[in-house]
Amino acid sequence: QKEVEQDPGPLSVPEGAIVSLNCTYSNSAFQYFMWYRQYSRKGPELLMYTYSSGNKEDGRFTAQVDKSSKYISLFIRDSQPSDSATYLCAIKAGTALIFGKGTTLSVSS
Amino acid sequence: DVKVTQSSRYLVKRTGEKVFLECVQDMDHENMFWYRQDPGLGLRLIYFSYDVKMKEKGDIPEGYSVSREKKERFSLILESASTNQTSMYLCASSLFQGTQETQYFGPGTRLLVL
Repeated sequence: QKEVEQDPGPLSVPEGAIVSLNCTYSNSAFQYFMWYRQYSRKGPELLMYTYSSGNKEDGRFTAQVDKSSKYISLFIRDSQPSDSATYLCAIKAGTALIFGKGTTLSVSS
Repeated sequence: DVKVTQSSRYLVKRTGEKVFLECVQDMDHENMFWYRQDPGLGLRLIYFSYDVKMKEKGDIPEGYSVSREKKERFSLILESASTNQTSMYLCASSLFQGTQETQYFGPGTRLLVL
């Protein structure tokens, strides 16, 4: 079983939709969870950072961690065409990060 | 703002050539990383370094080596490039602050090996 699983999509939604992006992980010892956003032909940039369980909100973005289910989610409210990108979940394992394969999101106007 | 720069955005090399990819960060970060990113495989860690002259193998170090002579610079070396090393190469740096560690990525180098 891979350490981090993420559905690659692609996911297409109309502008204004609520988007849910998800990852599952296998090691219950993981405690630091991140979401990165990567625009086409650019490097990933950190979007959200969560420690342990619970929710964290930043504007239209909410990151959620359910450690009992080993499930992490990113919700995007009122999605915009500028949100079109690949979203990567990442989990801190020692010094390095383990990344999901990324979900490609397209928001149409 | 943290800035991570990579020496080239696009590179075309021939099989068997020695290839150097350079990465520089300007925020005095201890940790630096090299990843490759391929469709369907995601980001995979090649090597990382937590200090000058220190290096650790990542998940896919075969065919690569690294050099970190100065804190701000981390080089990835392909000793004898092969076609299966055609990929997007991403460099990152990070600073551990309390419970949070953020990796900052460069723009990437697209390498084509013919």
